[in-house]
Amino acid sequence: DAGVIQSPRHEVTEMGQEVTLRCKPISGHNSLFWYRQTMMRGLELLIYFNNNVPIDDSGMPEDRFSAKMPNASFSTLKIQPSEPRDSAVYFCASTPAVTRRSYGYTFGSGTRLTVV
Amino acid sequence: KNEVEQSPQNLTAQEGEFITINCSYSVGISALHWLQQHPGGGIVSLFMLSSGKKKHGRLIATINIQEKHSSLHITASHPRDSAVYICAAATGNQFYFGTGTSLTVIP
Repeated sequence: DAGVIQSPRHEVTEMGQEVTLRCKPISGHNSLFWYRQTMMRGLELLIYFNNNVPIDDSGMPEDRFSAKMPNASFSTLKIQPSEPRDSAVYFCASTPAVTRRSYGYTFGSGTRLTVV
Repeated sequence: KNEVEQSPQNLTAQEGEFITINCSYSVGISALHWLQQHPGGGIVSLFMLSSGKKKHGRLIATINIQEKHSSLHITASHPRDSAVYICAAATGNQFYFGTGTSLTVIP
């Protein structure tokens, strides 16, 4: 298995532009998570999906952020309009089932976003 | 006050030393995670545990639910163990992350 695949690896965009981050979870994994990591705030959970349904988006910082999971093999995190303070590394992770405690998580390589 | 506290924040060890990283949490948890972030930025999930102890190679994770405390141990440390180790408490739908422990193992 290729693991959790995120794209792009790096993204540089101008303030005000729309940014779309993509994630392909491991086949068969039912739960998908989006995290953001910054120097100031560390690692934060933004949103997670279970069976393609958003379960908890309380970590999404603002209405400028939105996430979708149209099918079991693809998810997007969109920021519109982007701001410099959105600059961070965004990680996607998947796990077979969030309720099954014996399973760990597999992380993607992350997308490093820079908003200038 | 942070829901998850890790110590130490930074740790330097000689190769071969036994290493312990501590994590204390203040919330009721469904699971406690230990993550490893490599210098290149990639994150690996090391352990997810809700009771007792787990072992994988030279890594051991323990948790004491009553004391709300977990430890990550590395036996016979090696320079390739150099990374940031992050503790995360999962409580239902919420995840609370520690600020990480930066470990450097010197040859």
